[in-house]
Amino acid sequence: AQSVTQLDSHVSVSEGTPVLLRCNYSSSYSPSLFWYVQHPNKGLQLLLKYTSAATLVKGINGFEAEFKKSETSFHLTKPSAHMSDAAEYFCVVSDRRFMRFGAGTRLTVKP
Amino acid sequence: ETGVTQTPRHLVMGMTNKKSLKCEQHLGHNAMYWYKQSAKKPLELMFVYNFKEQTENNSVPSRFSPECPNSSHLFLHLHTLQPEDSALYLCASSQDQNGGGTDTQYFGPGTRLTVL
Repeated sequence: AQSVTQLDSHVSVSEGTPVLLRCNYSSSYSPSLFWYVQHPNKGLQLLLKYTSAATLVKGINGFEAEFKKSETSFHLTKPSAHMSDAAEYFCVVSDRRFMRFGAGTRLTVKP
Repeated sequence: ETGVTQTPRHLVMGMTNKKSLKCEQHLGHNAMYWYKQSAKKPLELMFVYNFKEQTENNSVPSRFSPECPNSSHLFLHLHTLQPEDSALYLCASSQDQNGGGTDTQYFGPGTRLTVL
């Protein structure tokens, strides 16, 4: 069975400082992993995905994530937060047919 | 958001009403999904259609009835709903449900449903 745990329900950073959103997963297979972002009153938008190619995945808007098999982690990072990054972020593991969503991490960016 | 559209964006209905949610994808995909997003809970998969055939019903109550007339359109018919059904209902599509887990799902903006 596949599952995903987002370790923080809420993260608050100051504008211009680094962002770290943590995600651990469990999977019986070699997993596909995704990060999605949801801005208020919007649908989910794909930030990036890992599908067994390079372990460091670069996404849109300066975000990247590193797949660490030994730690079963897929943390999302960004060197410098922008006010427009404030949103809900979802880590997702795919079990080849269905996506399993984490509970989400709300990112707040302070001026 | 032009890839997957949903209408209406907001819906308020009484428990005795019948209404329908509509989803349309313009991406040439073969799989479509309905999800329920409630406050403080992970996204819940409700239904999956692959090549117009329903392949998953995730123990959804019968007051929710999906319909997929073709690969581009997906409906969710609602009747005799309960207040706890109030949520954001999201539609998504992907190339193929059986894409080896690598198929990205593209989401619509959702319908915010309030049941009084």
